[in-house]
Amino acid sequence: EPEVTQTPSHQVTQMGQEVILRCVPISNHLYFYWYRQILGQKVEFLVSFYNNEISEKSEIFDDQFSVERPDGSNFTLKIRSTKLEDSAMYFCASSVGWNNEQFFGPGTRLTVL
Amino acid sequence: GIQVEQSPPDLILQEGANSTLRCNFSDSVNNLQWFHQNPWGQLINLFYIPSGTKQNGRLSATTVATERYSLLYISSSQTTDSGVYFCAVEDTRGSTLGRLYFGRGTQLTVWP
Repeated sequence: EPEVTQTPSHQVTQMGQEVILRCVPISNHLYFYWYRQILGQKVEFLVSFYNNEISEKSEIFDDQFSVERPDGSNFTLKIRSTKLEDSAMYFCASSVGWNNEQFFGPGTRLTVL
Repeated sequence: GIQVEQSPPDLILQEGANSTLRCNFSDSVNNLQWFHQNPWGQLINLFYIPSGTKQNGRLSATTVATERYSLLYISSSQTTDSGVYFCAVEDTRGSTLGRLYFGRGTQLTVWP
Protein backbone atom coordinates (compact mmCIF):
# COMPACT_ATOMS: atom_id res chain seq x y z
CA GLU A 1 0.00 0.00 0.00
CA PRO A 2 1.40 3.43 -0.93
CA GLU A 3 2.54 5.53 1.99
CA VAL A 4 4.09 8.88 2.78
CA THR A 5 7.74 8.64 3.80
CA GLN A 6 9.84 11.14 5.73
CA THR A 7 13.55 11.55 6.36
CA PRO A 8 15.29 11.77 8.70
CA SER A 9 13.31 10.15 11.49
CA HIS A 10 15.27 12.14 14.07
CA GLN A 11 17.27 15.34 13.70
CA VAL A 12 19.25 17.12 16.37
CA THR A 13 20.53 20.58 15.60
CA GLN A 14 22.01 23.61 17.30
CA MET A 15 19.96 26.76 17.72
CA GLY A 16 20.44 29.06 14.74
CA GLN A 17 21.23 26.28 12.29
CA GLU A 18 19.23 25.57 9.17
CA VAL A 19 17.42 22.26 8.81
CA ILE A 20 15.67 20.64 5.88
CA LEU A 21 13.04 18.01 6.49
CA ARG A 22 12.20 15.76 3.57
CA CYS A 23 9.04 14.01 2.52
CA VAL A 24 7.99 11.80 -0.36
CA PRO A 25 4.19 12.05 -0.75
CA ILE A 26 2.05 9.30 -2.22
CA SER A 27 2.76 9.31 -5.93
CA ASN A 28 -0.67 10.21 -7.36
CA HIS A 29 -1.40 12.85 -4.73
CA LEU A 30 -1.33 16.50 -5.73
CA TYR A 31 -1.85 18.27 -2.41
CA PHE A 32 0.80 18.38 0.27
CA TYR A 33 0.91 19.56 3.85
CA TRP A 34 3.18 20.07 6.82
CA TYR A 35 2.00 19.86 10.41
CA ARG A 36 3.84 19.91 13.67
CA GLN A 37 3.23 18.58 17.16
CA ILE A 38 5.06 19.96 20.16
CA LEU A 39 5.52 17.25 22.78
CA GLY A 40 2.30 16.60 24.67
CA GLN A 41 0.24 19.01 22.57
CA LYS A 42 -2.14 18.73 19.68
CA VAL A 43 -1.16 18.59 16.03
CA GLU A 44 -1.03 22.00 14.36
CA PHE A 45 -1.26 22.90 10.70
CA LEU A 46 1.70 24.73 9.17
CA VAL A 47 1.16 24.96 5.42
CA SER A 48 -0.64 23.47 2.42
CA PHE A 49 0.88 23.32 -1.05
CA TYR A 50 -0.56 22.70 -4.49
CA ASN A 51 0.62 23.27 -8.03
CA ASN A 52 4.05 24.39 -6.84
CA GLU A 53 2.81 27.14 -4.61
CA ILE A 54 1.61 27.66 -1.08
CA SER A 55 -2.18 27.50 -0.81
CA GLU A 56 -2.49 28.42 2.83
CA LYS A 57 -0.17 28.94 5.75
CA SER A 58 -0.83 29.30 9.45
CA GLU A 59 0.36 32.00 11.80
CA ILE A 60 3.14 29.62 12.89
CA PHE A 61 4.59 29.53 9.37
CA ASP A 62 6.62 32.74 9.52
CA ASP A 63 9.56 33.89 7.39
CA GLN A 64 11.85 31.31 8.99
CA PHE A 65 9.92 28.54 7.23
CA SER A 66 9.80 27.67 3.55
CA VAL A 67 8.57 24.75 1.49
CA GLU A 68 9.66 23.45 -1.86
CA ARG A 69 8.98 20.66 -4.29
CA PRO A 70 12.44 20.44 -5.84
CA ASP A 71 11.60 17.53 -8.12
CA GLY A 72 8.70 15.27 -9.03
CA SER A 73 8.77 13.27 -5.83
CA ASN A 74 10.19 15.22 -2.88
CA PHE A 75 8.52 17.87 -0.75
CA THR A 76 10.70 19.72 1.73
CA LEU A 77 10.29 21.96 4.75
CA LYS A 78 13.19 24.28 5.53
CA ILE A 79 13.64 26.10 8.81
CA ARG A 80 16.19 28.79 8.16
CA SER A 81 17.41 29.58 11.68
CA THR A 82 16.09 27.14 14.25
CA LYS A 83 14.90 28.22 17.68
CA LEU A 84 14.47 26.16 20.82
CA GLU A 85 10.71 26.35 20.40
CA ASP A 86 10.93 24.69 16.98
CA SER A 87 11.58 21.39 18.75
CA ALA A 88 8.65 19.21 17.76
CA MET A 89 7.52 16.29 15.65
CA TYR A 90 6.98 17.41 12.07
CA PHE A 91 4.51 15.50 9.94
CA CYS A 92 4.15 15.59 6.19
CA ALA A 93 0.80 14.63 4.65
CA SER A 94 -0.68 14.33 1.19
CA SER A 95 -4.09 13.93 -0.42
CA VAL A 96 -5.60 13.55 -3.90
CA GLY A 97 -7.58 16.76 -3.47
CA TRP A 98 -8.97 19.30 -1.05
CA ASN A 99 -11.49 17.81 1.34
CA ASN A 100 -10.09 14.35 0.69
CA GLU A 101 -8.49 12.03 3.20
CA GLN A 102 -5.02 13.16 4.22
CA PHE A 103 -2.37 10.50 4.74
CA PHE A 104 0.42 11.24 7.16
CA GLY A 105 4.04 10.23 7.16
CA PRO A 106 5.75 8.78 10.24
CA GLY A 107 7.17 12.15 11.24
CA THR A 108 10.56 13.71 11.87
CA ARG A 109 11.41 14.43 15.48
CA LEU A 110 13.39 17.67 15.54
CA THR A 111 15.35 18.60 18.63
CA VAL A 112 16.93 22.05 18.82
CA LEU A 113 19.65 22.45 21.46
CA GLY B 1 -10.85 28.79 13.09
CA ILE B 2 -13.10 25.85 13.80
CA GLN B 3 -13.04 24.50 17.36
CA VAL B 4 -12.64 20.77 17.98
CA GLU B 5 -13.36 19.33 21.40
CA GLN B 6 -12.67 15.73 22.31
CA SER B 7 -13.88 13.81 25.32
CA PRO B 8 -12.93 12.25 27.57
CA PRO B 9 -9.34 13.51 27.75
CA ASP B 10 -8.24 10.29 29.44
CA LEU B 11 -9.71 6.81 29.45
CA ILE B 12 -8.46 3.75 31.29
CA LEU B 13 -9.93 0.36 30.43
CA GLN B 14 -9.48 -3.29 31.19
CA GLU B 15 -8.75 -5.45 28.18
CA GLY B 16 -11.99 -6.62 26.59
CA ALA B 17 -14.01 -3.56 27.54
CA ASN B 18 -15.83 -1.33 25.06
CA SER B 19 -15.46 2.44 24.81
CA THR B 20 -16.86 5.48 23.05
CA LEU B 21 -14.80 8.55 22.21
CA ARG B 22 -16.52 11.77 21.23
CA CYS B 23 -15.53 14.67 18.97
CA ASN B 24 -17.57 17.89 18.85
CA PHE B 25 -16.88 20.60 16.31
CA SER B 26 -18.11 24.14 16.08
CA ASP B 27 -18.88 24.56 12.37
CA SER B 28 -19.82 22.68 9.22
CA VAL B 29 -17.10 20.36 7.93
CA ASN B 30 -16.05 18.85 4.62
CA ASN B 31 -13.63 16.39 6.08
CA LEU B 32 -13.43 14.55 9.37
CA GLN B 33 -10.74 12.04 10.18
CA TRP B 34 -9.93 9.88 13.18
CA PHE B 35 -6.31 8.99 13.92
CA HIS B 36 -4.52 6.77 16.38
CA GLN B 37 -1.14 8.02 17.54
CA ASN B 38 0.93 5.05 18.55
CA PRO B 39 3.70 5.07 21.19
CA TRP B 40 6.28 5.88 18.47
CA GLY B 41 4.38 9.03 17.59
CA GLN B 42 3.04 7.87 14.24
CA LEU B 43 -0.42 9.03 13.17
CA ILE B 44 -2.38 6.09 11.86
CA ASN B 45 -5.47 6.79 9.76
CA LEU B 46 -8.51 5.10 11.23
CA PHE B 47 -11.45 6.65 9.43
CA TYR B 48 -12.25 9.32 6.89
CA ILE B 49 -15.84 10.03 7.83
CA PRO B 50 -17.35 13.48 7.09
CA SER B 51 -20.78 11.89 7.53
CA GLY B 52 -22.41 8.51 8.09
CA THR B 53 -21.13 5.34 9.69
CA LYS B 54 -18.17 3.11 8.92
CA GLN B 55 -16.78 -0.02 10.48
CA ASN B 56 -13.35 -1.58 10.37
CA GLY B 57 -12.97 -4.68 12.50
CA ARG B 58 -13.41 -3.81 16.16
CA LEU B 59 -13.56 -0.10 15.40
CA SER B 60 -16.47 1.87 14.06
CA ALA B 61 -17.25 5.54 13.69
CA THR B 62 -20.33 7.67 13.21
CA THR B 63 -20.48 11.32 12.21
CA VAL B 64 -23.70 13.32 12.53
CA ALA B 65 -22.70 16.37 10.55
CA THR B 66 -25.94 18.28 11.17
CA GLU B 67 -25.38 18.02 14.92
CA ARG B 68 -21.64 18.59 14.65
CA TYR B 69 -20.25 15.54 16.38
CA SER B 70 -18.54 12.27 15.67
CA LEU B 71 -18.15 9.14 17.76
CA LEU B 72 -15.46 6.49 17.66
CA TYR B 73 -16.37 3.09 19.11
CA ILE B 74 -13.78 0.59 20.19
CA SER B 75 -15.08 -2.85 21.06
CA SER B 76 -13.26 -5.63 22.90
CA SER B 77 -10.28 -3.36 23.53
CA GLN B 78 -6.76 -4.75 23.45
CA THR B 79 -3.53 -3.46 24.94
CA THR B 80 -2.38 -2.53 21.45
CA ASP B 81 -5.26 -0.04 21.26
CA SER B 82 -3.47 2.14 23.80
CA GLY B 83 -2.35 5.54 22.60
CA VAL B 84 -3.87 8.89 21.76
CA TYR B 85 -6.90 9.15 19.50
CA PHE B 86 -7.27 12.37 17.55
CA CYS B 87 -10.19 13.78 15.67
CA ALA B 88 -9.40 16.31 12.93
CA VAL B 89 -11.73 18.34 10.75
CA GLU B 90 -11.55 20.58 7.72
CA ASP B 91 -14.18 23.28 7.60
CA THR B 92 -16.26 24.30 4.60
CA ARG B 93 -14.84 27.75 4.15
CA GLY B 94 -12.93 28.05 0.91
CA SER B 95 -10.25 30.17 2.56
CA THR B 96 -8.80 27.30 4.60
CA LEU B 97 -7.77 24.95 1.84
CA GLY B 98 -6.81 21.56 3.19
CA ARG B 99 -6.22 22.76 6.72
CA LEU B 100 -7.07 20.11 9.29
CA TYR B 101 -7.91 21.32 12.78
CA PHE B 102 -7.06 18.74 15.42
CA GLY B 103 -8.60 18.19 18.80
CA ARG B 104 -6.46 17.65 21.87
CA GLY B 105 -7.04 13.93 21.75
CA THR B 106 -8.17 11.17 24.08
CA GLN B 107 -5.39 9.27 25.85
CA LEU B 108 -6.50 5.64 26.00
CA THR B 109 -4.77 3.15 28.26
CA VAL B 110 -5.80 -0.50 28.10
CA TRP B 111 -4.58 -2.76 30.90
CA PRO B 112 -4.25 -6.54 30.49
